[in-house]
Formats: sequence, structure tokens, C-alpha cells
Amino acid sequence: DIVMTQTPLSLSVTPGQPASISCKSSQSLLHSDGKTYLYWYLQKPGQSPQLLIHEGSNRFSGVPHRFSGSGSGTDFTLKISRVEAEDVGVYYCMQSIQLVTFGGGTKVEI
Amino acid sequence: QVQLVQSGAEVKKPGASVKVSCKASGYTFTGYYMHWVRQAPGQGLEWMGWINPNNGHTEYAQKFQGRVTMTRDRSITTAYMEVSSLTSDDTAVYYCALGGAYDYYGMDVWGQGTTVIVSS
Repeated sequence: DIVMTQTPLSLSVTPGQPASISCKSSQSLLHSDGKTYLYWYLQKPGQSPQLLIHEGSNRFSGVPHRFSGSGSGTDFTLKISRVEAEDVGVYYCMQSIQLVTFGGGTKVEI
Repeated sequence: QVQLVQSGAEVKKPGASVKVSCKASGYTFTGYYMHWVRQAPGQGLEWMGWINPNNGHTEYAQKFQGRVTMTRDRSITTAYMEVSSLTSDDTAVYYCALGGAYDYYGMDVWGQGTTVIVSS
């Protein structure tokens, strides 16, 4: 099974400041089709997870431009350029190249 | 728009089974994989498996093999997930989530979740 390791476990941020979350996979997430099957989700308190980034670096429809994904192979990063109060919640990375596994989550609070 | 509407909360006794439904609308039901994910209280997300609604093929996480069954009814664009031999460890919110046209695509739209409580 592919293991997904997220750091940090929690993050306290000031509105307007940047934030960054790391995700490492135990195997490469690069598919033979050239795409990387790494996703980022945000689960706000009391809500279902919502997709932020797909295939490593593509913002999902309606996701603000302050969210960006980068990385390749086994090392990935989610960046928020300027955190807003509505960004609080738990962020998860997920791989789907070999079944599906999630990272342990990063709790972001203001 | 794409919508996944799940069935209501359930309370079950240990040893019983529970079947959760996920009514899909706004897209071609048979064209996209459907995943199931659960979240125990205060815990992270745990993938359970997927079903291909077109042919009914399934893939389960090893942890759930033999105890989880995923099915679908194409006529009413609804997916189902049944867990048998429930224990208190199965107390969780269960989500259906819409995947892509291939099994290695991730999920974009999620259902609202169904709370299952297992208690004697």
C-alpha cells in the first residue's frame, strides 16, 4: 500500500499570512499517462471534504487562486498565499494511482 | 449540477448490518466510478473501496474485504454500501464520493455523509 505522510499535524496561522503543507508518498504518483494522481482536500468543521487541487497542481472549479499545489514524484506541497478565516479546517492529501490512501490530515486554525 | 444525496443516520446493534444509499444526479451515472470513504469520530478519512456503476465491478480496501459489499441500481442511479458484522469500531460518518472515468482518478464531489452509530 502507498503510505501518505503529511506535515505538520497542525498549523496556527495569521490571516493574510502564507501557509504551507507538505505531503510525501511512499511511491511515485506519476502515472504512465503523464499525470500525477495526487489530490488535496479541505474538510471544514462539520462539512464533507471538498476538492481543492487535482492531479497535483490543478485548482478545482471555483477554488480561490490563493490555493496552489506543486510537486512531483513523491513530494508535494499545498500553499495558501494569504490565509483567510474561511480556510480553517483539516487538509488532506490523497493518492489514487494505486487504490486510494489519504494522508493523516493537517489541522489549520487561525 | 452534480449531486450525491445519501440516506439518513442509522443506529445499529453490534453484529448487525447497515446499508447506506447514495442517490446520484446531474451526470451520467454509469460513466464514473463511485467511492466510499468513512471517518470515525475525531479521526481522518479512510477509503473503503469503489464500484464501477457500469458493470458492477468492485475493489475493496483489504481491511474491509469480506465485510463490505458495494452495489448499484442503474435504473434509479443509486449506489449502495453495506457493512456486515458491525462493531463499535464501525461507528463513523460514511461518505460516497464521485470518482472519474477511470479507477485511478480521484474524487471531486462528495455526498453529505451518513452517520452510523453502533451501540448496544
